[in-house]
Amino acid sequence: RKEVEQDPGPFNVPEGATVAFNCTYSNSASQSFFWYRQDCRKEPKLLMSVYSSGNEDGRFTAQLNRASQYISLLIRDSKLSDSATYLCVVNDMRFGAGTRLTVKP
Amino acid sequence: NAGVTQTPKFRILKIGQSMTLQCTQDMNHNYMYWYRQDPGMGLKLIYYSVGAGITDKGEVPNGYNVSRSTTEDFPLRLELAAPSQTSVYFCASTPTDRSSYEQYFGPGTRLTVT
Repeated sequence: RKEVEQDPGPFNVPEGATVAFNCTYSNSASQSFFWYRQDCRKEPKLLMSVYSSGNEDGRFTAQLNRASQYISLLIRDSKLSDSATYLCVVNDMRFGAGTRLTVKP
Repeated sequence: NAGVTQTPKFRILKIGQSMTLQCTQDMNHNYMYWYRQDPGMGLKLIYYSVGAGITDKGEVPNGYNVSRSTTEDFPLRLELAAPSQTSVYFCASTPTDRSSYEQYFGPGTRLTVT
């Protein structure tokens, strides 16, 4: 089992849709969790950290489920500009393969 | 601040050649990392460093070497390049006091080995 696994996608959604990504991790002792966004041929950039209590930043909500060892990212009211690859990261240095999202008009 | 800079942006190597990928950060971060990203894949950690003079292997260190003589610089050396090393290489750093675990990435080096 891979350390960090993500929904492979791609996800193709219309503008305004709500979309959710999951990411599972194998190490139950993992302490830190993040979602990064990567645009085509660019470097990854931090989207948000994931806290035990869950956290929200505008249209984005991240949640952690320690019992089932997964984190999730919910995007509401999708915009064209949300089109990117979303990478989950566990313990600073373990990256998932990414989930590609395309938002269409 | 320029953040994390990487040179070169692109490079084509012949099999068996060697090269050094440069990475510099001006944020006084102690933690620095080297990743590779193959097409359609996530990032794989090659090496990391928690401070000058200290380096450790990541998931995929074979075929690479690093050094960390200063806080600012963390070069990655490829010896005897192989086609399997064709990839995009990213360097990253995180704040010294770990107040934030956010990794700041450089723009990447696209390497092709033929």
